[in-house]
Amino acid sequence: DAGVTQSPTHLIKTRGQQVTLRCSPKSGHDTVSWYQQALGQGPQFIFQYYEEEERQRGNFPDRFSGHQFPNYSSELNVNALLLGDSALYLCASSWGQGESSSSFGSGTQLSVL
Amino acid sequence: TQLLEQSPQFLSIQEGENLTVYCNSSSVFSSLQWYRQEPGEGPVLLVTVVTGGEVKKLKRLTFQFGDARKDSSLHITAAQPGDTGLYLCAGARGYSTLTFGKGTMLLVSP
Repeated sequence: DAGVTQSPTHLIKTRGQQVTLRCSPKSGHDTVSWYQQALGQGPQFIFQYYEEEERQRGNFPDRFSGHQFPNYSSELNVNALLLGDSALYLCASSWGQGESSSSFGSGTQLSVL
Repeated sequence: TQLLEQSPQFLSIQEGENLTVYCNSSSVFSSLQWYRQEPGEGPVLLVTVVTGGEVKKLKRLTFQFGDARKDSSLHITAAQPGDTGLYLCAGARGYSTLTFGKGTMLLVSP
């Protein structure tokens, strides 16, 4: 039973570029949430996708956008990258009906130079 | 603004010692979760506490949820090197969205 998988594991970009990160949820989960974890900080909620729509959003600019596909997998897109976007990006999946425990992937480490 | 404050931020102890990590919130959450994260990995859920005053035990780990559901503690008895990692508390609101504290980095030396 596969858990949450994320790709790529590491990525290096330069300022101003655009990046796409991918996530496949745990089997049986239909909801995907994205978090940003800067060095020395706890994860911060970016947004959550359920039924292919953004259901909730944290305090992140419009440069951060996402998508969920019919198979529940998801993408996180970041445009016009800034140095401050360097972080570990975590994907978490859960069952969308009410509250349920989240399972996290190992993350994508993004470095912006 | 971080709504969850964790203390201490860093803890370095010897194998066999006991320790307590604290998580305090300015808000009430529907539940509070504790995670452990190792370098280069995602957080792994240890426990979820829901009811005020609740106490849960997981082997050598004891978790308490305050009566007012705004604070929690994690106590580890006889720490082992394998307990080394970043311990995160997170408050849950609707639809499984989590608000995390900054974490407590625990280092247990043999």
